[in-house]
Amino acid sequence: DAGVIQSPRHEVTEMGQEVTLRCKPISGHDYLFWYRQTMMRGLELLIYFNNNVPIDDSGMPEDRFSAKMPNASFSTLKIQPSEPRDSAVYFCASSRARGANVLTFGAGSRLTVL
Amino acid sequence: GDSVTQMEGPVTLSEEAFLTINCTYTATGYPSLFWYVQYPGEGLQLLLKATKADDKGSNKGFEATYRKETTSFHLEKGSVQVSDSAVYFCALSDPGGTSYGKLTFGQGTILTVHP
Repeated sequence: DAGVIQSPRHEVTEMGQEVTLRCKPISGHDYLFWYRQTMMRGLELLIYFNNNVPIDDSGMPEDRFSAKMPNASFSTLKIQPSEPRDSAVYFCASSRARGANVLTFGAGSRLTVL
Repeated sequence: GDSVTQMEGPVTLSEEAFLTINCTYTATGYPSLFWYVQYPGEGLQLLLKATKADDKGSNKGFEATYRKETTSFHLEKGSVQVSDSAVYFCALSDPGGTSYGKLTFGQGTILTVHP
């Protein structure tokens, strides 16, 4: 099992550019989560999906952020246009519906917006 | 709503010292409780969990007991090592209602262990 796979690991871009972060969850997991981590705000849940359907997107900061899950093995988080305050580490995590709901996290995508 | 409060860090200890990181929670239902650890440059990984009152989770010398009466899940280790230096997150999962599947995290506690 390769775990949750995120790409890119690092992204440096200029303000106003579009950013797309990608995630491949663990096969068989029903839930997929996108988190953002910053020193100031800690770990924030942005959005999560169950069986590819968005369940709660109340954490998405504004309309510049969007997330999709076209199938069970792929999700994207898009920021358009990006701003310096979007600089953070973005984590994807997945879990199975049954059991104690243990999340498995990816290694994260570090985004720097200049 | 659900919330998790951890003791403020950072925590700095010498090797072989005793560790306690406090965690208290607020939840409407009967949550499962977790401790996650994040090593530098990595994602979070599960350290231990407990799913009902009085359960004790344990792993790698760390322990935490689910105390419903005090709504707490404090993390302890009898003798820390330099390799335990990391950020520790307390979290809960409330199985009730529409929040099923979602984890609520505390703010994280930075632990640094010196030789």
